[in-house]
Amino acid sequence: GENVEQHPSTLSVQEGDSAVIKCTYSDSASNYFPWYKQELGKRPQLIIDIRSNVGEKKDQRIAVTLNKTAKHFSLHITETQPEDSAVYFCAASKGAGNQFYFGTGTSLTVIP
Amino acid sequence: SQTIHQWPATLVQPVGSPLSLECTVEGTSNPNLYWYRQAAGRGLQLLFYSVGIGQISSEVPQNLSASRPQDRQFILSSKKLLLSDSGFYLCAWSGSSQPQHFGDGTRLSIL
Repeated sequence: GENVEQHPSTLSVQEGDSAVIKCTYSDSASNYFPWYKQELGKRPQLIIDIRSNVGEKKDQRIAVTLNKTAKHFSLHITETQPEDSAVYFCAASKGAGNQFYFGTGTSLTVIP
Repeated sequence: SQTIHQWPATLVQPVGSPLSLECTVEGTSNPNLYWYRQAAGRGLQLLFYSVGIGQISSEVPQNLSASRPQDRQFILSSKKLLLSDSGFYLCAWSGSSQPQHFGDGTRLSIL
């Protein structure tokens, strides 16, 4: 089955700096890669996703890059703000009807 | 638009008691449905997923079970709760075009 690894497990950055979280996957058939943000005590919420036919996607301060050859994808947050502090999860899926495989999460702290 | 409802929000149960958590989805048909458990400060553990009525796949052997009696209803049950069943239970759904969306979760404490 698929194995998704996520690094780092914790990350602290100064407000205004950039944060990068990396994930690798093992199954080359995976073709959909969402990222979720989970604030303390709340549900994970989708913040950005990318499909295997695209190498990069950007939404304001958030971007995701995908390297299919190396089987890794990354989340980039620029100009970080304190409200970006949360746990971030990456995931991989092989498409409709298939389960999602989640990384173990990265706890991001943005220091004001 | 699609919405997912999960209840109760919090639950305190004694060891050995039964459990029933319910999840319903509105605004879509034939969704893929999932149950996850999250221990404090930990990741998401997939418990069950379903691609249709009566079709349940179990990912982790345990004293929990799931059922899908209707297209948009997913139920997580246990006959006898263990202390280790404590956690944050999340229901999620996805459609054919993805992605996966989570309910607000149930915080379960076993005493």
